[in-house]
Amino acid sequence: EAGVAQSPRYKIIEKRQSVAFWCNPISGHATLYWYQQILGQGPKLLIQFQNNGVVDDSQLPKDRFSAERLKGVDSTLKIQPAKLEDSAVYLCASSPSRGSSYNEQFFGPGTRLTVL
Amino acid sequence: GNSVTQMEGPVTLSEEAFLTINCTYTATGYPSLFWYVQYPGEGLQLLLKATKADDKGSNKGFEATYRKETTSFHLEKGSVQVSDSAVYFCALEGSGYIPTFGRGTSLIVHP
Repeated sequence: EAGVAQSPRYKIIEKRQSVAFWCNPISGHATLYWYQQILGQGPKLLIQFQNNGVVDDSQLPKDRFSAERLKGVDSTLKIQPAKLEDSAVYLCASSPSRGSSYNEQFFGPGTRLTVL
Repeated sequence: GNSVTQMEGPVTLSEEAFLTINCTYTATGYPSLFWYVQYPGEGLQLLLKATKADDKGSNKGFEATYRKETTSFHLEKGSVQVSDSAVYFCALEGSGYIPTFGRGTSLIVHP
């Protein structure tokens, strides 16, 4: 079974530029998560989708971050414009569904973003 | 809101030593509890989980027991190996199925 795919793996941009990350979850997984992991910290949930609907985006800085999951499969996360403090690893994860029987998350390799 | 507190690292042990990594949580209701591991150069992967009080999760010689009375989920292993060197994350999934992660604890095992 193929794992969670993310691209690009690395990205370097100047502040105020825009950037987009792509995630392809495990086939059949209904739930998709985007996390921000700053160096030395744990993953912080940005947004959670169930199929193509948003379940939680309470920690997403909506003035600059946006995410979508068209057709309930692939997802993109965009930052526009980027700030220095956005430098982090952006993780995508998926799980079969929600609820205690289905909530094991499978993580992708992450995208390391550096904002100069 | 929900939160997870892990002991500060790095934890440095010799091979075959006993391991404990402490994890406590704050959450309403009855969250599911998890330990994830990140080996060098790899992505996070689930190590073990427990979904209700007094459940014990176990995998690869690691164990953790869901203690509701102390709101804890400490990770233990009787005899660590060099290959266990990694970063360990305690996490919970609370009401609304929203996950929260701890800061992670780095484990370094010397031969």
